[in-house]
Amino acid sequence: EDKVVQSPLSLVVHEGDTVTLNCSYEVTNFRSLLWYKQEKKAPTFLFMLTSSGIEKKSGRLSSILDKKELSSILNITATQTGDSAIYLCAVETGTASKLTFGTGTRLQVTL
Amino acid sequence: GAVVSQHPSWVICKSGTSVKIECRSLDFQATTMFWYRQFPKQSLMLMATSNEGSKATYEQGVEKDKFLINHASLTLSTLTVTSAHPEDSSFYICSADRGNQPQHFGDGTRLSIL
Repeated sequence: EDKVVQSPLSLVVHEGDTVTLNCSYEVTNFRSLLWYKQEKKAPTFLFMLTSSGIEKKSGRLSSILDKKELSSILNITATQTGDSAIYLCAVETGTASKLTFGTGTRLQVTL
Repeated sequence: GAVVSQHPSWVICKSGTSVKIECRSLDFQATTMFWYRQFPKQSLMLMATSNEGSKATYEQGVEKDKFLINHASLTLSTLTVTSAHPEDSSFYICSADRGNQPQHFGDGTRLSIL
């Protein structure tokens, strides 16, 4: 059974802090690893990491895939209150593009 | 950009009612769509894979007679929760497969069964 684990489960930081969110996986037929941000509705896409693209960056957010360690991290620098959300890691497997989600990390950024 | 539309956004109904949720890909064709369920403070759990023109593939533990999926066209998949009960109350989210692009999610349907 495919498994995706995220840590920490929740995190409270002050505005301006840097945070690192972790994701590890045990799956068969790995295709890609995705990070999503979820606020009140459905998840919004952040990054997609594959064997050919193991590092992505967009503004204050960046992510790295470690295929050897079967893990990924999501970094957010200079956090803002608008970064408060649940961050979901998902691994895509097989030919059917099936996504297995981790438990999520609930991030709260305070003033 | 690609958009997936889900309707309705929320439903409140009595126990025993059947509820239909629609998922549409607005500017692309999706031969495969996915249905997820999310309980409060939990992650998304894949319920089933909806394939255009063929039967859906259900994940282990998901009752196919309870959660009817129809994918009759390349832009529409529907999920019908039959004879819904309070334990079916949840947030239901669909997504559409775009090949090598990341899945794009609908805004979700919050279902409350009284």
